[in-house]
Amino acid sequence: AQSVTQLGSHVSVSEGALVLLRCNYSSSVPPYLFWYVQYPNQGLQLLLKYTSAATLVKGINGFEAEFKKSETSFHLTKPSAHMSDAAEYFCAAGTGGGNKLTFGTGTQLKVEL
Amino acid sequence: GAVVSQHPSWVICKSGTSVKIECRSLDFQATTMFWYRQFPKQSLMLMATSNEGSKATYEQGVEKDKFLINHASLTLSTLTVTSAHPEDSSFYICSATGGDRASYEQYFGPGTRLTVT
Repeated sequence: AQSVTQLGSHVSVSEGALVLLRCNYSSSVPPYLFWYVQYPNQGLQLLLKYTSAATLVKGINGFEAEFKKSETSFHLTKPSAHMSDAAEYFCAAGTGGGNKLTFGTGTQLKVEL
Repeated sequence: GAVVSQHPSWVICKSGTSVKIECRSLDFQATTMFWYRQFPKQSLMLMATSNEGSKATYEQGVEKDKFLINHASLTLSTLTVTSAHPEDSSFYICSATGGDRASYEQYFGPGTRLTVT
């Protein structure tokens, strides 16, 4: 079964610093991969997705992620953190055979002045 | 495009009563809708998948008689929590896919906070 691991349930960065949120998946077949952001008491907003095209994926709000098959990773980065980036981030994987998504446990990003 | 709404956004009900949550796709036809449950500070857990006009498929451990899902049209799915108890208190989120979108692209509603007293 597919599993998604997000290392670090809490990440804290200074405003203007690099954001790096880690995600690893377990699958012999490269899945579809997604990063979502969730603000308190809200649903999930899609940041970006990997669907077997370019390995470097650019998303909204300056985020990007790189698919590395050899490392089974899909880490999310942003060059310069903004206070508004403080939220919960979820990595998710979907397999081509169906619609189901498997979510990681989430990473709470805190941005400090 | 790809807007999904949920109603209500927040509901309180008494133990033993039932509550219905609606999930609507506003600008596309949702052939498949998903219902998730999210406990505080935790990830989303898939409860069930519903295809329009078919019975929902429940994940292991989810009581189908307690969480009734109906997907009668291409724009509406409902989740009814029957005989609710305090342990059913949670954040329920739906998502939808369909139309000309790839099957793996899910669009999420804003969620419904259920509190059972």
